[in-house]
Amino acid sequence: QSALTQPRSVSGSPGQSVTISCTGTSGDVGGFDYVSWFQHHPGKAPKLILYYVDKRPSGVPDRFSGSKSGDTASLTISGLQAEDEGDYYCSSYAGSHSFVFGIGTTVTVL
Amino acid sequence: QVLLAQSGPEVKRPGASVKVSCKTSGYTFADYGVLWVRLAPGQGLEWMGWIGGNTGVTKYAQKFLGRVTMTTDTSTTTAYMEVRNLSFDDTGVYYCARITASIIDFWGLGTLVTVSS
Repeated sequence: QSALTQPRSVSGSPGQSVTISCTGTSGDVGGFDYVSWFQHHPGKAPKLILYYVDKRPSGVPDRFSGSKSGDTASLTISGLQAEDEGDYYCSSYAGSHSFVFGIGTTVTVL
Repeated sequence: QVLLAQSGPEVKRPGASVKVSCKTSGYTFADYGVLWVRLAPGQGLEWMGWIGGNTGVTKYAQKFLGRVTMTTDTSTTTAYMEVRNLSFDDTGVYYCARITASIIDFWGLGTLVTVSS
């Protein structure tokens, strides 16, 4: 399996919106609605922020939203805040009880 | 609360093996699987495999087949992952995470494994 493709970095000013794409294939992102997004700050445990493409776990602000079109899923952070800085990873179920992760995107708040 | 407490950092020689533990608490171990992921320097997260909490059924990523073994001890609600024949490319942080119905919801803090001669 190849890693899901994400932009290496995105940036935005406080209050702006940023969108991170996650591109796979019909065998993973395109074939299943089991896309998740994780926020990771170095030295900490990754945190689930979206699952099943657009579902937010309890406690995750509604500034985080997700969507999917074809083989590409997207995470949008609206109303960017300083604490949103960090690395973001997507993942997808890839069939036959397997999973694949993205290469990660660093979000910088200017 | 749900916790996954991982074992401490390891330094290993090339060719050696390492076994990382993941002690879980705060939930019914049998109701969830444990998934293992690696973060290598300059790389993204890499799925290594997972193991069922009640069945012990495993699924490994093709890349790690034959070199990785995942096990559980239901009496201590602990999951283990052993990686054999380590190479420099195996240096990285190894994470365990809870999984059910394709939802990976809680993660450990990670275990740093350094392969150095």
